[in-house]
Amino acid sequence: AQSVSQHNHHVILSEAASLELGCNYSYGGTVNLFWYVQYPGQHLQLLLKYFSGDPLVKGIKGFEAEFIKSKFSFNLRKPSVQWSDTAEYFCAVSHMDTGRRALTFGSGTRLQVQP
Amino acid sequence: EAQVTQNPRYLITVTGKKLTVTCSQNMNHEYMSWYRQDPGLGLRQIYYSMNVEVTDKGDVPEGYKVSRKEKRNFPLILESPSPNQTSLYFCASRKNREMNTEAFFGQGTRLTVV
Repeated sequence: AQSVSQHNHHVILSEAASLELGCNYSYGGTVNLFWYVQYPGQHLQLLLKYFSGDPLVKGIKGFEAEFIKSKFSFNLRKPSVQWSDTAEYFCAVSHMDTGRRALTFGSGTRLQVQP
Repeated sequence: EAQVTQNPRYLITVTGKKLTVTCSQNMNHEYMSWYRQDPGLGLRQIYYSMNVEVTDKGDVPEGYKVSRKEKRNFPLILESPSPNQTSLYFCASRKNREMNTEAFFGQGTRLTVV
């Protein structure tokens, strides 16, 4: 089945550690890729997005992601996390789905950064 | 300020009692959706609307209804809520149906059905 997979469900890091969260999707054809962040008790906010062009995209708060088409991946990275990065992170894929133009989300990765 | 506004933020109700969760956006967006968020499942689309009077089912539409009489409003209706509809609900809007448009989310409605 077509899907978006986030293999890390819960990640615990210490401040200043590097972060990489995996995201794989199974849709063929043209896709647009997003990472959203949800801070505790808040709504989802866009972290970064990839539509076309340079496969390495930079977002807010020092996050970046790399689109690797051959691997159907769009992993999120940050060189040095802070306590304030504690949140849940969702990868999402926008794709042609029988005209629905659906935005399909992964199951999310809960990041806990310890001071 | 561009925003998507949902009400109420929290709701506890009893099985079978009809309820409506409202959603309004001020960005003149054409495309609106409702999602439910459940632990370990991420966000799943319930219904979507590509424009006024155009609505269709998402991935998990059973037990829900929607309407889109005006561009800015997209209410979610639970005619006869059941405990398995206890969840966190998000309304989202996008400029249009094009894939390269960012979704903006409301603050969420935490619904408990007892």
